[in-house]
Amino acid sequence: EVQLLESGGGLVKPRGSLRLSCAASGFTFSNYAMSWVRQAPGKGLEWVSGISASGGTTYYADSVKGRFTISRDNSKNTLYLQMNSLRAEDTAVYYCAKDDIVLMAYFTFDSWGQGTLITVSS
Amino acid sequence: QSALTQPPSVSGSPGQSVTISCTGTSSDVGHFNRVSWYQQSPGTAPKLMIYEVTNRPSGVPDRFSGSKSGNTASLTISGLQAEDEADYYCSSYTSSSTPVFGGGTKLTVL
Repeated sequence: EVQLLESGGGLVKPRGSLRLSCAASGFTFSNYAMSWVRQAPGKGLEWVSGISASGGTTYYADSVKGRFTISRDNSKNTLYLQMNSLRAEDTAVYYCAKDDIVLMAYFTFDSWGQGTLITVSS
Repeated sequence: QSALTQPPSVSGSPGQSVTISCTGTSSDVGHFNRVSWYQQSPGTAPKLMIYEVTNRPSGVPDRFSGSKSGNTASLTISGLQAEDEADYYCSSYTSSSTPVFGGGTKLTVL
């Protein structure tokens, strides 16, 4: 059974930093691209960032480009999101999501974590 | 990349059919057959219901079907059941090599 477990959420001040982690199990992590998708309170889904299976290619939404960095450690089956220069509008539940196609960044997500809440406020 | 356009809400009675539209552009929905639909119940993570416009993952009831015409994709739920009440989001691959989601549609089962 695929399991994705996010951690690292919490309250952070504007212009602060935070690193999210997503521990994966139940599948061959190194074979799949992964993404972060967020959902502001009461709002819709917004794709944030993605990374290829090898980690060699990364993708970002314009809203976070230059501030967020996605990475992965395939030896630890873990996905990361380093978030810098945080803004109030980054407040959201952040989900990690697994791509459904082997070895391609296809951006169709067949498994999701339970999410971790980031609140950016002074 | 602008969000895909979905109606904020739709409703239907048990047993009826409802269709949720998802309108994009020639740079996303109209160009790629990589449209997905997700169901999200309150307080839970999204669940993949349709991928590649028309395909259902195993375990998704065949009451759920997808289609596309031009720049608009659609999700149809037939034989509506109370458990189908949820938010539904479409997503498409784009010419920017990234995905974009729709704004979401709240389905109410009357």
